[in-house]
Amino acid sequence: SQTIHQWPATLVQPVGSPLSLECTVEGTSNPNLYWYRQAAGRGLQLLFYSVGIGQISSEVPQNLSASRPQDRQFILSSKKLLLSDSGFYLCAWSRLRIEGEQYFGPGTRLTVT
Amino acid sequence: QKEVEQNSGPLSVPEGAIASLNCTYSDRGSQSFFWYRQYSGKSPELIMFIYSNGDKEDGRFTAQLNKASQYVSLLIRDSQPSDSATYLCAAGSGGSNYKLTFGKGTLLTVNP
Repeated sequence: SQTIHQWPATLVQPVGSPLSLECTVEGTSNPNLYWYRQAAGRGLQLLFYSVGIGQISSEVPQNLSASRPQDRQFILSSKKLLLSDSGFYLCAWSRLRIEGEQYFGPGTRLTVT
Repeated sequence: QKEVEQNSGPLSVPEGAIASLNCTYSDRGSQSFFWYRQYSGKSPELIMFIYSNGDKEDGRFTAQLNKASQYVSLLIRDSQPSDSATYLCAAGSGGSNYKLTFGKGTLLTVNP
């Protein structure tokens, strides 16, 4: 069966500090990978998605970036965090097909102070 | 702009009743539709998906799709307090870019 991991589970960072969130998927190959953010009281916002190693599509211009160094690893980064970056960050995967269902990891709750 | 609209609720039903959650979508090219359940503080969990017009049943859950009306619904029979959560509706993007558009969710409360 497939499993998706995210870490850390919670993070408190000061404004201006860097960020690195990691997501890994087990039990599948060539998954589509996604980063979402869910701010308090708001819906899921797609930040980045990837259909293969080194292939990253950005949905929202901002101070975040993503990388996919390995087939089942997806990393979300920032050089300098803003207060507005606070939220619940979710990684998801889907099978490599059009409009496949997505499965979410446990999430990282980020608070920028 | 592709949109998925849901009533934010809260929707309150008594235990044992049928809960009916509704969703409309704007992209006529969408071919797949999903319902996720999200407990407070947790990540979304896929509970149903539907691709064809009509009904799809899985245990106490029934998803209904009407592409002509661009309408998706989720029925929960014999509602339990453990069903209390936010339910997210999502629509596939249509085409080959592998994306889902999510609604903001409906908060369901099942009262014992």
